[in-house]
Amino acid sequence: GENVGLHLPTLSVQEGDNSIINCAYSNSASDYFIWYKQESGKGPQFIIDIRSNMDKRQGQRVTVLLNKTVKHLSLQIAATQPGDSAVYFCAENMKADKLIFGTGTRLQVFP
Amino acid sequence: GAVVSQHPSRVICKSGTSVKIECRSLDFQATTMFWYRQFPKQSLMLMATSNEGSKATYEQGVEKDKFLINHASLTLSTLTVTSAHPEDSSFYICSARPGVPGNSPLHFGNGTRLTVT
Repeated sequence: GENVGLHLPTLSVQEGDNSIINCAYSNSASDYFIWYKQESGKGPQFIIDIRSNMDKRQGQRVTVLLNKTVKHLSLQIAATQPGDSAVYFCAENMKADKLIFGTGTRLQVFP
Repeated sequence: GAVVSQHPSRVICKSGTSVKIECRSLDFQATTMFWYRQFPKQSLMLMATSNEGSKATYEQGVEKDKFLINHASLTLSTLTVTSAHPEDSSFYICSARPGVPGNSPLHFGNGTRLTVT
């Protein structure tokens, strides 16, 4: 099936540092992208979104960058905190309103 | 706002039995809901799109007769795993959105952990 990731890549950062999580999406026709955070045993939680007519969007401590040329998204988290530890997924909105998830990255924050 | 609730959060059943999972949008109406499945350490895989008042649309490789979806009202969709087997053990998550498709994010329930013994 689509987007089956066998092993989640892991990003380890020290508390207070900035984190950058990257994602490659598959469909050049996708026009809306979302970052989700998933904690263990819970459903994904919305973080930030961006439409394809933008290349950057900022939220509270988070920034999403979109590079349509290379089909790449990134999520930047400023001053990473222990509570940011989770798995992060990018998702692209495809035709027929389907939201397809990327492989995911596990973020580990250590003191 | 935009709360999606799932029930039960955990269920254990014996092989061959059926299990029903409910997904409710608590503070908005949803003509469309989406069901995902997630295996350990993997991403979410879209199983099917639940359409209020009409048949669900299943993704390639998902058996419609095994995973029965009913979307009887604008706030409730149910997923029934029929004749469950151990390989159906997984984390099932539903989602819906209150806004316009392609311009608002899906909101997810907290999932249902199904264990088939």
